[in-house]
Amino acid sequence: GESVGLHLPTLSVQEGDNSIINCAYSNSASDYFIWYKQESGKGPQFIIDIRSNMDKRQGQRVTVLLNKTVKHLSLQIAATQPGDSAVYFCAETHYSSASKIIFGSGTRLSIRP
Amino acid sequence: DARVTQTPRHKVTEMGQEVTMRCQPILGHNTVFWYRQTMMQGLELLAYFRNRAPLDDSGMPKDRFSAEMPDATLATLKIQPSEPRDSAVYFCASGPTLGTPFTDTQYFGPGTRLTVL
Repeated sequence: GESVGLHLPTLSVQEGDNSIINCAYSNSASDYFIWYKQESGKGPQFIIDIRSNMDKRQGQRVTVLLNKTVKHLSLQIAATQPGDSAVYFCAETHYSSASKIIFGSGTRLSIRP
Repeated sequence: DARVTQTPRHKVTEMGQEVTMRCQPILGHNTVFWYRQTMMQGLELLAYFRNRAPLDDSGMPKDRFSAEMPDATLATLKIQPSEPRDSAVYFCASGPTLGTPFTDTQYFGPGTRLTVL
């Protein structure tokens, strides 16, 4: 069935280092992917998105990479800061068909001082 | 700054009681979503509305859950009767829907943490 999964449930990173959060998806028809950040006690917050006609997209300190061949998505956070501590979700949907969005199970990112 | 608001933030109730959760979407947003988040199931879409009309509520248990938008500034999610398995955080999100509902940025509210004893 359709699923969006994450390779690691938790990730611990030294402050200042780069973080890489991975996500695997199984629905080949998905062509739009989103990363969300959820801090404790808050709702998910949009970080960055990417369509399947791209393999890389950059934002402020974040980069999303998409490998359609192996159905893999990653979120890279440069110079990780304490404020980056959160649970990160990837999500997938199909852009044109307005199909429902499917969220992954989340990766918790913790920052070591 | 504009944000989605939800009330109450926390609700503890006993099994069998009615629970009503409210959401005020961002002014001007015409798509509203209800999600449920649990440790076991993660984030699940329950229902969504566009221009106050329900587009899809297939994610909701129909026998006990109902979602409505009495007006453009209020969305409600009601559970009657509530059960312990309904314990979760319920999020409302709104979006501008310039394109398809799920490809516009969704702005999430802070959530209602529901505990059913």
